[in-house]
Amino acid sequence: GAVVSQHPSRVICKSGTSVKIECRSLDFQATTMFWYRQFPKQSLMLMATSNEGSKATYEQGVEKDKFLINHASLTLSTLTVTSAHPEDSSFYICSARTSGAYTEAFFGQGTRLTVV
Amino acid sequence: AQSVTQPDIHITVSEGASLELRCNYSYGATPYLFWYVQSPGQGLQLLLKYFSGDTLVQGIKGFEAEFKRSQSSFNLRKPSVHWSDAAEYFCGSSNTGKLIFGQGTTLQVKP
Repeated sequence: GAVVSQHPSRVICKSGTSVKIECRSLDFQATTMFWYRQFPKQSLMLMATSNEGSKATYEQGVEKDKFLINHASLTLSTLTVTSAHPEDSSFYICSARTSGAYTEAFFGQGTRLTVV
Repeated sequence: AQSVTQPDIHITVSEGASLELRCNYSYGATPYLFWYVQSPGQGLQLLLKYFSGDTLVQGIKGFEAEFKRSQSSFNLRKPSVHWSDAAEYFCGSSNTGKLIFGQGTTLQVKP
């Protein structure tokens, strides 16, 4: 299957700083990318959907000013957690697919963010 | 609005026994449905998907799922579970441009 690379896999940052997570589709053009947050022993909570060249669509309750998503090209999307706080500590996963709601979405390996 | 529900949070089966993981969806038209598996510390891997045609779908690793419109269900099955099947399983739906998941089911396999 296609490969989605997510970087970094782990990051520790100080409270108040910002951290950027990258999601790249290595061998296909990702028209749509999804960003999820996963709490321990819990499901994947969709944070936002981004289409290349468009502004991301955020889910209800997700602060768009805190979680900045950029999908500037067909192979790269970034999630920036701004002014991070300990409660932002979580596992963040990106997913990418080509056009079509019935097409398979490929997932990155996830990023474990710890804010201290 | 679309939604997905996995009623079973945790299931334990003996190795070699059969398995069925439940998934119910809510969507007005024909849904696009998926089953993904997540092993500890890893990303999600697609097991199978349904969007039209034969309602019994075959997937990888010996899994299958059956779409039943009358019951709004898309249950995942496997006739004989292996210890390596222990993982987290997610049922997903993608119809409104976004891919959402149920709560997930943790599968534990007893020797």
